Amino acid sequence: GAGVSQSPSNKVTEKGKDVELRCDPISGHTALYWYRQSLGQGLEFLIYFQGNSAPDKSGLPSDRFSAERTGGSVSTLTIQRTQQEDSAVYLCASSLRGGGTEAFFGQGTRLTVV
Amino acid sequence: AQSVTQLGSHVSVSEGALVLLRCNYSSSVPPYLFWYVQYPNQGLQLLLKYTTGATLVKGINGFEAEFKKSETSFHLTKPSAHMSDAAEYFCAVNPNSGGSNYKLTFGKGTLLTVNP
Repeated sequence: GAGVSQSPSNKVTEKGKDVELRCDPISGHTALYWYRQSLGQGLEFLIYFQGNSAPDKSGLPSDRFSAERTGGSVSTLTIQRTQQEDSAVYLCASSLRGGGTEAFFGQGTRLTVV
Repeated sequence: AQSVTQLGSHVSVSEGALVLLRCNYSSSVPPYLFWYVQYPNQGLQLLLKYTTGATLVKGINGFEAEFKKSETSFHLTKPSAHMSDAAEYFCAVNPNSGGSNYKLTFGKGTLLTVNP
């Protein structure tokens, strides 16, 4: 596609439920990032995929969070047993190969846990 | 490890005035440096980036930034603010390294308000 696509754009879920957030990166981009943006907290790195290398999961805040990237393209971020503190905007970005190349961001998924 | 510090979470200027948004970084290796802008309810858009070469880089919408290695800074400027510049600005760094640690590290952002 023309840009990074994220779905859904908004998600309201009940505390304790699982959610899946989807990211379609730009075709041909080997690098994919997930970030979380909370009010007043800036951008928090979650996970980074680069080609077939093992992902860098160092930013995942707890074992309730996981992500996968199938076929080097689409990525899904899963949050199990959601908590109210998980409410945030989840941003996905892709870049041609990581490193100094520009990262292109999607519009984000706004997650609200009630 | 790298880190980014943006001085001032909120900057307010008058329309037509100089915009100066500060960014300092720490990095164990020479970095790549970026400025992104985020308009309300939108994703981030690249304003400009420094990788190698000329230390003064020009970006979109009349913004520019200068990489100063001695000061570990990459401040963003625009000579004359426009109302449409009101947004949140993020400085980011990633290492210019052959290793696997390519991830972008962002500052906490600076919200720019432009007053008429």
